[in-house]
Amino acid sequence: GAGVSQSPRYKVAKRGQDVALRCDPISGHVSLFWYQQALGQGPEFLTYFQNEAQLDKSGLPSDRFFAERPEGSVSTLKIQRTQQEDSAVYLCASSAPGQFTYEQYFGPGTRLTVT
Amino acid sequence: QQQVKQSPQSLIVQKGGIPIINCAYENTAFDYFPWYQQFPGKGPALLIAIRPDVSEKKEGRFTISFNKSAKQFSLHIMDSQPGDSATYFCAASESNFGNEKLTFGTGTRLTIIP
Repeated sequence: GAGVSQSPRYKVAKRGQDVALRCDPISGHVSLFWYQQALGQGPEFLTYFQNEAQLDKSGLPSDRFFAERPEGSVSTLKIQRTQQEDSAVYLCASSAPGQFTYEQYFGPGTRLTVT
Repeated sequence: QQQVKQSPQSLIVQKGGIPIINCAYENTAFDYFPWYQQFPGKGPALLIAIRPDVSEKKEGRFTISFNKSAKQFSLHIMDSQPGDSATYFCAASESNFGNEKLTFGTGTRLTIIP
């Protein structure tokens, strides 16, 4: 079946603008994660949803970052008043029970550039 | 605080060689250790994973070696091919009823030369 999809794939924003990044998880996956990947680094956890409930937002770097998943499927990550340090690839992953644990499947990411 | 340290940062190996990538972790609550492969412009893809109750796992040409007492694990790629050229990330998580958020290493850029 289809994998995790994200849109837009690329986004350029001027500093101070608000942006919204969308994630369509694999159908039926209950768990959804957002990660931030800076250039040349590994992904870093931002937030976790189980269905529509946001159960962990410990990785959100500031109150300018907001995520939602109102119907338990599609999720949106919103960044208000973007700053240059927000430039990164934002990855979404959904998960399902696997051999050992809930295996995460990643989307292609949205590359955000703040100018 | 970097909880998973990965080395080397980059690695060049000739085709057919066996690249080895190493990771070390600090959090003893981690109980799941996956490796991800990432090509440019793509998201990370799960390659192979291991639990700490075994010392080795093989899947095709990929092998994870795990040393619980040393808190280290490594990825070996047998008979490496140019198509294996990618960035590899080790990761770790602890069981948490679905919230198995991953802590990643910094990545190893692997180049296999023909």
